[in-house]
Amino acid sequence: EPEVTQTPSHQVTQMGQEVILRCVPISNHLYFYWYRQILGQKVEFLVSFYNNEISEKSEIFDDQFSVERPDGSNFTLKIRSTKLEDSAMYFCASSEAPGQGSAGNTIYFGEGSWLTVV
Amino acid sequence: DQQVKQNSPSLSVQEGRISILNCDYTNSMFDYFLWYKKYPAEGPTFLISISSIKDKNEDGRFTVFLNKSAKHLSLHIVPSQPGDSAVYFCAARTLAGTASKLTFGTGTRLQVTL
Repeated sequence: EPEVTQTPSHQVTQMGQEVILRCVPISNHLYFYWYRQILGQKVEFLVSFYNNEISEKSEIFDDQFSVERPDGSNFTLKIRSTKLEDSAMYFCASSEAPGQGSAGNTIYFGEGSWLTVV
Repeated sequence: DQQVKQNSPSLSVQEGRISILNCDYTNSMFDYFLWYKKYPAEGPTFLISISSIKDKNEDGRFTVFLNKSAKHLSLHIVPSQPGDSAVYFCAARTLAGTASKLTFGTGTRLQVTL
């Protein structure tokens, strides 16, 4: 079964360093997302991406965050200068076109990248 | 801003019995609801969904019921199996721009005992 894959599974970084989290969405999907879950808290929406541009972003997704689809398969989340409070599990997700029945309305998640900022 | 609430943090059910997980929401703009299952240190795995224009959707052992007037949905698992033990998240969808945006509940930890 097709799946969303993420690398690295776990990264430890020093405060102030740049981090890039990588994702390979499901191949026929057109919509890409990043969510995160701080330990003990809800899964939160960060950003959605379609047609090489951001579709929507949350308040969390400030100027230190950026996303990119550098080639036809990868989707990346960059955190420019990490803070302690960025420590979380980051989930990449993808979907077909929303509104196209259950297939389009279902978002599939990767296994997550656990980021620890020290 | 708790637009999606799962008021039961945990639930314990015997194997073979029915598990009922509940979810309440406040935003009338949600048009699609999804249930995800999550194991520790893994991503949410999609289980079942329901459109806001339906009141029931069934897939094998899993059935989701939607009561739109009460802004309430529930996931029924019958019969429950030990492998169902996990955290279950209710998520509600809005269309944000051209893409979906999910708002998650806090999750309910289901323990299925022998």
